[in-house]
Amino acid sequence: NAGVTQTPKFQVLKTGQSMTLQCAQDMNHNSMYWYRQDPGMGLRLIYYSASEGTTDKGEVPNGYNVSRLNKREFSLRLESAAPSQTSVYFCASSEWDLQAGELFFGEGSRLTVL
Amino acid sequence: KNEVEQSPQNLTAQEGEFITINCSYSVGISALHWLQQHPGGGIVSLFMLSSGKKKHGRLIATINIQEKHSSLHITASHPRDSAVYICAVRRGGSQGNLIFGKGTKLSVKP
Repeated sequence: NAGVTQTPKFQVLKTGQSMTLQCAQDMNHNSMYWYRQDPGMGLRLIYYSASEGTTDKGEVPNGYNVSRLNKREFSLRLESAAPSQTSVYFCASSEWDLQAGELFFGEGSRLTVL
Repeated sequence: KNEVEQSPQNLTAQEGEFITINCSYSVGISALHWLQQHPGGGIVSLFMLSSGKKKHGRLIATINIQEKHSSLHITASHPRDSAVYICAVRRGGSQGNLIFGKGTKLSVKP
């Protein structure tokens, strides 16, 4: 079972470069999320998508864009990377139901911006 | 003040000990999640609770909605339980957002 797959797992960028983190889930979930995790801080929401065709800003959206390409895929783009965006990024998905709202996470993408 | 507070931040235990990790929150919620993150980074969902108690193997999670408090218990702890345990709450009526605690780092010594 693939679950949530995100790529790449590691990336080093120079300041000003752009890149896209890809995420795909095979569980037919409506909701998908992008989080960043920094030392000493809890996971923080960058953007989420409650359903195909909709996206909403989370707590820390500046410097990022997202695209919900279809129900399976939710990508995160850094247009002009900055050192402050050095972090570990997690994609997650869930169904929206009190009985079935379990969260599923990708393995994480470690991004370093020099 | 953070909306989700976990205690303790760090916990060291001997193998076999009973462990309790606490989570308090200050907002109305529709559900609470307990997650486990092993060194190396992967995050796994342990429980989702909206009331009462759930048990899975040696793990037990409880929630008291009136007191806005949840606990995660590990019975007969083992070194493989060493991980960061994260509490996250889903705001009442909200489809999108979760609020995460900063995690409790558990180390179980043999």
